Formats: sequence, structure tokens, C-alpha cells
Amino acid sequence: DAGVTQSPTHLIKTRGQQVTLRCSPKSGHDTVSWYQQALGQGPQFIFQYYEEEERQRGNFPDRFSGHQFPNYSSELNVNALLLGDSALYLCASSLRLAGIYEQYFGPGTRLTVT
Amino acid sequence: AQSVTQLDSHVSVSEGTPVLLRCNYSSSYSPSLFWYVQHPNKGLQLLLKYTSAATLVKGINGFEAEFKKSETSFHLTKPSAHMSDAAEYFCVVSSARGANNLFFGTGTRLTVIP
Repeated sequence: DAGVTQSPTHLIKTRGQQVTLRCSPKSGHDTVSWYQQALGQGPQFIFQYYEEEERQRGNFPDRFSGHQFPNYSSELNVNALLLGDSALYLCASSLRLAGIYEQYFGPGTRLTVT
Repeated sequence: AQSVTQLDSHVSVSEGTPVLLRCNYSSSYSPSLFWYVQHPNKGLQLLLKYTSAATLVKGINGFEAEFKKSETSFHLTKPSAHMSDAAEYFCVVSSARGANNLFFGTGTRLTVIP
């Protein structure tokens, strides 16, 4: 059973460019959350998708947007890249059952903005 | 608002000695708390979770944590450190009862000395 997968592993972009990161959730999971982890920091919640809609959003600007597809996979898009967007981007998947949701994380995509 | 404070950014122990990683939380309701571990170049892995059941929670790889409401603490312990325990550890609180986004602490780097 494949866990959460993310692509690409590494990415280098220039300021002002746009980037798309991809995530496939663990088999059977229907909810995808995205996190940004700056160097030396804990992950910060960006947003969460369920049933192809953004359900919750953290304190990130509109330059960060996403999408969830019918097969539950998800994309994170960042427009007008800034140097400060350089970070490890983590995708987590979970199953929307009643109670506490256990999230499974992918290995992340390392984005470097130059 | 919910938040966690990890009291030590770096902990160093000798192999075979006990491990204590400290975490205090702040929450306006009865929280759900987690400990995650992150090994270099690997995804975040859930060690254990507290969900208002037993206050002493046992996790994987011999780790456990005790929820103390009076002290607003959720410290992570292990009786005997192993070299493979060297990693970054994150204390995490959920945003609301049953919510699916997580607030991470800034992390504690555990070093195990042979």
C-alpha cells in the first residue's frame, strides 16, 4: 500500500515565477492538507481540501492556491514566487471520520527560489 | 487560539539513557495533542496521539507521553535512547475538536551520543 507521494522532490525557481506541486494521498484517504516548513521551523498549515473544495485555510496569501481532483490527489500552486517561499512543502492525507484525524505525511517537495 | 511551546531546541543524550523532550500547550478547549518525528530527508511520522482518553499515551518505538492538564504539558519520554532515535521531534496540537489541521511547535533536535 503506497503511502503519501509527492512530486517533484526538488525544484528551483526564479522570483516572480509560478510553481505547481503535486500530492497523491494514501490509499483510502479523502482529505489532503498542505504545510510549509521553512528551514529550522515547524510546518505551518496552508490549507486543506476535501470533496474537491478548500475547507480550511491558514494565514497564507492568495498567491497560494490549490486544487483537489476526483481521485483525491491534490496540487498546490504558488504564484509570483518570493525568496521567502523557499521551503519544504509537505502534503498530508487523512480520512474524514468522526473523531481525531490521523494525518500521514509525504516526504515533501524542496522548493528553492533564487 | 491553540499553540505549543517546545522548551528545548536541542537535547543531547547518551545511548541507553532516558530521553525527555518537553512540550507545553495552550488551548481554549480540551486539546488533541500529538508527537511527530522527522528523520533527515524523510517524511513526518506520527509517534503518538492524545485524544482525551488515557492521560498516559504509549507510542511507537518505546516512546510515551503524559497529558497533564494542570501543568498544560505533554512531555515525550523514552526509558533508553537508541542511536536510531536521533531526529527532529515536533509537538503538535489540533486546531479544534475533530479538526484536521495541525499547529506544530518549533521542534526539538535529539542527538544520541554513542
